[in-house]
Parts: sequence; C-alpha cells; structure tokens
Amino acid sequence: QSVLTQPPSASGTPGQRVTISCSGSSSNVGRKNVYWYQQFSGTAPKVLINRNDQRPSGVPDRFSGSKSGTSASLAISGLRSDDEADYYCAVWDDSLSGWVFGGGTKLTVL
Amino acid sequence: EVQLVESGGGLVQPGGSLRLSCAASGFTFSKYDMHWVRQATGKGLEWVSGIGRAGDTYYAGSVKGRFTISRENAKNSLYLQMHSLTAGDTAVYYCATGLDGWDSWGQGTLITVSS
Repeated sequence: QSVLTQPPSASGTPGQRVTISCSGSSSNVGRKNVYWYQQFSGTAPKVLINRNDQRPSGVPDRFSGSKSGTSASLAISGLRSDDEADYYCAVWDDSLSGWVFGGGTKLTVL
Repeated sequence: EVQLVESGGGLVQPGGSLRLSCAASGFTFSKYDMHWVRQATGKGLEWVSGIGRAGDTYYAGSVKGRFTISRENAKNSLYLQMHSLTAGDTAVYYCATGLDGWDSWGQGTLITVSS
C-alpha cells in the first residue's frame, strides 16, 4: 500500500484530455513539491513535471501538473497513442524522511 | 552528455550480500544528490536510498539497517551495499539524479535473490 494513491489505470481516445490523480497527506503532498515521471515498458523513467507544475525542457506543453492541498494531478491533453505508458507521482515525505512514489497509473490510448 | 551506468547486479542467495555501483559522467558529480530506485518485475517504482552532496544519507523503511549508500566523488561513483537480501529485494535497481526532478537515470541492473 503506497503512501501516495494513484488510480491503477486510466484511458482515453486520441485527442482527448485525461487526468491522473495523486493523493497524499499533510506530510508529503500537502507541504512538498510533487514530481511526475513517465515510464515506457522496459525503459528507465523520464521526468515530466518538476515542482508541481514545471515542465522540463523538451516536455510538450500537452503535459501539465497541478496541486491543491494534499492532492496533485497530471493532465495530458491532445492524447496520442505514444502517450501509452506508466505514470508515477513522487514526493518527499517529512514523516518518513524519504521519497515516496505513487503506485503508478497505466495509461491506455484506445 | 550525462551518463549513469550501474553494475554489480546478479543472482544472490537469500541472506546474501551484494554491492552495486553507479559510474557517473558528463556532469559535476560532487554537486548532485544521488539516488537508488528499484522496480520489481511488473511492479511500480520504489525509492530505495539517497545521498546528498554533503554525504547525508536517507533510506526507505524497507531497507534501513540492511543497505548502505555511499559515494566516492573522486571516482564519480555511487554505491549501494546490500546485506541480508530477501526475495522481496529482487528488482531492477536504477541510479538517478537531477538538480530538480531526476532527469538522469541509468539503464538499471537486475538483482535476483533466489536459492
């Protein structure tokens, strides 16, 4: 059972907008920056969103992050077939004195 | 170009020990926090341990007391010494770093704990 809760799966059709949630607590999401990672099968993760809503250079603006209270969200607009991947949120937890990942969300483009 | 290359993985018996290494290049290693993240087959990512630029160390509860992270800045290398390994430690282990999010990852090294 992860400290951060993500839906195990999400889906959408090409061109749609999908959101993936990440629910935490006051010791992590509520007070620390959230990061989002994308991972394709068999490859290392790639950072998509820094510090809640900052896109690193090279990440398309179709990807956006937000945070409110103890929850964060990743939104993907203009869904494409090559967005099919696993998505993880990550945040430092003050109570655990360590980083925690959400359980991951598998995105399927129908 | 930033490069992280893990090594040291393999098959180890339950209760055994193993030392992983991560060779870094293409950036000023001493100025970066470094992390180990693992992923069991078909499972999600799990942060294992991190070490700051000043040598401060942090561990996930699942490995605290069994794993030791260290770094050798002169050799641009990160290490993870693992003891008392169990089947639950079987996973691909990645080293990762970044000034903000972790934008650099190695290819991973597989550790299999089995008799």
